[in-house]
Amino acid sequence: GAGVSQSPSNKVTEKGKDVELRCDPISGHTALYWYRQSLGQGLEFLIYFQGNSAPDKSGLPSDRFSAERTGGSVSTLTIQRTQQEDSAVYLCASSSQGSANQPQHFGDGTRLSIL
Amino acid sequence: GQQVMQIPQYQHVQEGEDFTTYCNSSTTLSNIQWYKQRPGGHPVFLIQLVKSGEVKKQKRLTFQFGEAKKNSSLHITATQTTDVGTYFCAGPRSGGSNYKLTFGKGTLLTVNP
Repeated sequence: GAGVSQSPSNKVTEKGKDVELRCDPISGHTALYWYRQSLGQGLEFLIYFQGNSAPDKSGLPSDRFSAERTGGSVSTLTIQRTQQEDSAVYLCASSSQGSANQPQHFGDGTRLSIL
Repeated sequence: GQQVMQIPQYQHVQEGEDFTTYCNSSTTLSNIQWYKQRPGGHPVFLIQLVKSGEVKKQKRLTFQFGEAKKNSSLHITATQTTDVGTYFCAGPRSGGSNYKLTFGKGTLLTVNP
C-alpha cells in the first residue's frame, strides 16, 4: 500500500515568501505529525493532528507557522514570510492511533531552502 | 524538561566490526522506539521495547531496554555497508500528552568497506 506522501520534495524560495507543504498520510491513519529536521539534528516536533480533535500546536516555533488538516486526511503546513532559519527538512508522519506506543510512518520530507 | 540523550554522536567502523549506540532518558519511559534514517532518506521504524529488561533481536541487530526503563541500546554485530545511517531512539514525552515522542539526536554510523 501507499506510504506517507509529501510534496514538494524540494522547495527553494526567497526570504519573505510564503510556502505551503503538503502531506498525504497513510489511508486510515488518524494521527498525523509534522516535524522539522535541521542538518545533523534530531526531529523537532511541530504540530499534531488526531481525527477531528483540536490540534496540538505547541511545537510551532512562531506565528508565521500554521497547519491544517482537511477532512481528517491531507495536511498542509504553511510558513509565511519565510526566514533563512526556516531552512530545514520538514517531515510528516502518520500513525494508526494517536498514541506514543504506536510506530510512526514517515514521508520522504520536503527539503526547504530559503535564499 | 525531558531529555533523551544518545551517544556516541558519530561512529565510524570497518565493515565486519560491531557497533553499539546508547540511549538515556532523564525520565522513566513506558516504551522506547528505534528508527533508522539512511542518508537522504526518512526515518524508518525498527522496533519498540516495552518491558523492563527486554531484549529483542532482528538478524544482526540486538535491542535492549534497561531494567529501570531509562536507557536502551542497539547493538549491530558484524556491520555491513547497508547498515550506514543515523539511528534514533524515541520515547514518549513526559508531562501530559500520551501521543508525543521525544527523539534523541541520533548516532550516525558510517561503515568503511
